Amino acid sequence: GNSVTQMEGPVTLSEEAFLTINCTYTATGYPSLFWYVQYPGEGLQLLLKATKADDKGSNKGFEATYRKETTSFHLEKGSVQVSDSAVYFCALSVTNAGKSTFGDGTTLTVKP
Amino acid sequence: DTGVSQNPRHKITKRGQNVTFRCDPISEHNRLYWYRQTLGQGPEFLTYFQNEAQLEKSRLLSDRFSAERPKGSFSTLEIQRTEQGDSAMYLCASSQPGTGNTIYFGEGSWLTVV
Repeated sequence: GNSVTQMEGPVTLSEEAFLTINCTYTATGYPSLFWYVQYPGEGLQLLLKATKADDKGSNKGFEATYRKETTSFHLEKGSVQVSDSAVYFCALSVTNAGKSTFGDGTTLTVKP
Repeated sequence: DTGVSQNPRHKITKRGQNVTFRCDPISEHNRLYWYRQTLGQGPEFLTYFQNEAQLEKSRLLSDRFSAERPKGSFSTLEIQRTEQGDSAMYLCASSQPGTGNTIYFGEGSWLTVV
């Protein structure tokens, strides 16, 4: 079956620090990969995505590269801000993006 | 584009009561999805519709759960004889095929069963 494993949190960083949140996956077929962000009390928002190997998704300073050889899609940001504090979910979809498999989420807290 | 709308946002109910949640997808989206999310976990897929047809249901969707999308627009998720284990956030999402596999989530409906 399909599964997503995320780096356990919580993660606490100082403002302007470098962020990495690890994500690895197992999947049948060739999945599309996603990162979603969830702010307190809100639903999930798509942050970035990649649909094939070696693709890099990027948005709002966040980046992730689809690595088929290591089955990974790690999220990175060079300089985090307090406003980046949220829960981040890695997800995959093999067929229909609406039928996604999610990781358990990583809570990021950025302190000024 | 007003986004995916869900209501009520919060519902507290006594065990054994029935509850219904409504989802209004983005207007041109023909696919609609329901997920459940419990604290500390990622969303889990429950079911999805293409237009008014319910194409797939997860085994997580017990007989007490029923979802409908009668006219291919809004959808309802009903939980009958609620149990404490049903306490969770119920998320709705929608998509339009051909938009790069992107789905858009609503803000969710929190259910607390006491």
